[in-house]
Amino acid sequence: GAVVSQHPSRVICKSGTSVKIECRSLDFQATTMFWYRQFPKQSLMLMATSNEGSKATYEQGVEKDKFLINHASLTLSTLTVTSAHPEDSSFYICSALGQGRYEQYFGPGTRLTVT
Amino acid sequence: QQQVKQSPQSLIVQKGGISIINCAYENTAFDYFPWYQQFPGKGPALLIAIRPDVSEKKEGRFTISFNKSAKQFSLHIMDSQPGDSATYFCAASMNSGYSTLTFGKGTMLLVSP
Repeated sequence: GAVVSQHPSRVICKSGTSVKIECRSLDFQATTMFWYRQFPKQSLMLMATSNEGSKATYEQGVEKDKFLINHASLTLSTLTVTSAHPEDSSFYICSALGQGRYEQYFGPGTRLTVT
Repeated sequence: QQQVKQSPQSLIVQKGGISIINCAYENTAFDYFPWYQQFPGKGPALLIAIRPDVSEKKEGRFTISFNKSAKQFSLHIMDSQPGDSATYFCAASMNSGYSTLTFGKGTMLLVSP
């Protein structure tokens, strides 16, 4: 299957700071990337959908000014959590959809802890 | 409104047994049904997927059974192994998969040695 990477795998930051998470498709061009959030023992919650070169589409209840998403190239999307607070602590996972493909491949996830 | 209902929430199976996880959906526009396996602290990995034009798909020890009229699909893991212990998510999407996934709540599978 296709490979999607995320960086960093874990990050600890102080309340009020911003954190950037990168999602890369390593062996295919991702026309669409998705960002999810997952709390312990729960399912994945879609936060936003991003298409290369256009603005992200956010799910209802997700603050677009707090969770900034950029999809500047066909292999890279970034999620920036601005002014992070402890309630933003979670497992963030990206997935990518390749051009002409219908299988979504997920990254390994990023564990964010806000102190 | 939960569009994909998954059961059971947790499952314990003995090594060598058959693990069965069920999902039901409501939206008849769904036409792509993947299953994902997730280990603790890792991202989900695509396991197997099916489209509604077939009733069954098998890949190794993993089989999806699909019942379009009942709007149900299930994952069967044959000869379950301790290494299969993980959380399994069913999902559904429209437009032949070229759209967002709607996930079930997940099933924690434990295969006892």
